[in-house]
Amino acid sequence: RKEVEQDPGPFNVPEGATVAFNCTYSNSASQSFFWYRQDCRKEPKLLMSVYSSGNEDGRFTAQLNRASQYISLLIRDSKLSDSATYLCAVTEAGSYQLTFGKGTKLSVIP
Amino acid sequence: DTEVTQTPKHLVMGMTNKKSLKCEQHMGHRAMYWYKQKAKKPPELMFVYSYEKLSINESVPSRFSPECPNSSLLNLHLHALQPEDSALYLCASSLDTDTQYFGPGTRLTVL
Repeated sequence: RKEVEQDPGPFNVPEGATVAFNCTYSNSASQSFFWYRQDCRKEPKLLMSVYSSGNEDGRFTAQLNRASQYISLLIRDSKLSDSATYLCAVTEAGSYQLTFGKGTKLSVIP
Repeated sequence: DTEVTQTPKHLVMGMTNKKSLKCEQHMGHRAMYWYKQKAKKPPELMFVYSYEKLSINESVPSRFSPECPNSSLLNLHLHALQPEDSALYLCASSLDTDTQYFGPGTRLTVL
């Protein structure tokens, strides 16, 4: 069974804090990795694709560790608007099937 | 522009009704997807259309019937649904087997 595991949280952090989420995957054939953000009662929105060399977009940094089969998301200087559920997702090369983790809930507190 | 649109936003139907959900994208994407999402759960894949052909059916009950009239449109026909089918139905699209972009969803309630 191909599984993607995330700590469901909730992570309650003060504004300005740095917070990190990890996501582990069991399928060693996984090739593409993503972080989505989902607000309550809304659709998942792509936050970042995760590349082998790691990538950064403003306050967000994503990293991939193929040897240990996990991806991470680091959020620096947390804002109230970062409060959401963060879903990691993985897929094999050439596959349409995107496997999601159950999501990690983040609440940024004033 | 990475926009996928879905109609209606909300739908309430009885167990004997027939209704359809619609999804549209104009990004030239060749793969389109239907997902079902229950509260506090991740999206679950239902169907995938690739180049207008049904590529994946994740053992979905026949009361859900997908249709892909053309490369920009995807429908999901609903008939004789059960209350446990109440959920957020998400459409997504991708250029091929790469990044998937989601529409805003249809929140379905079956009475």
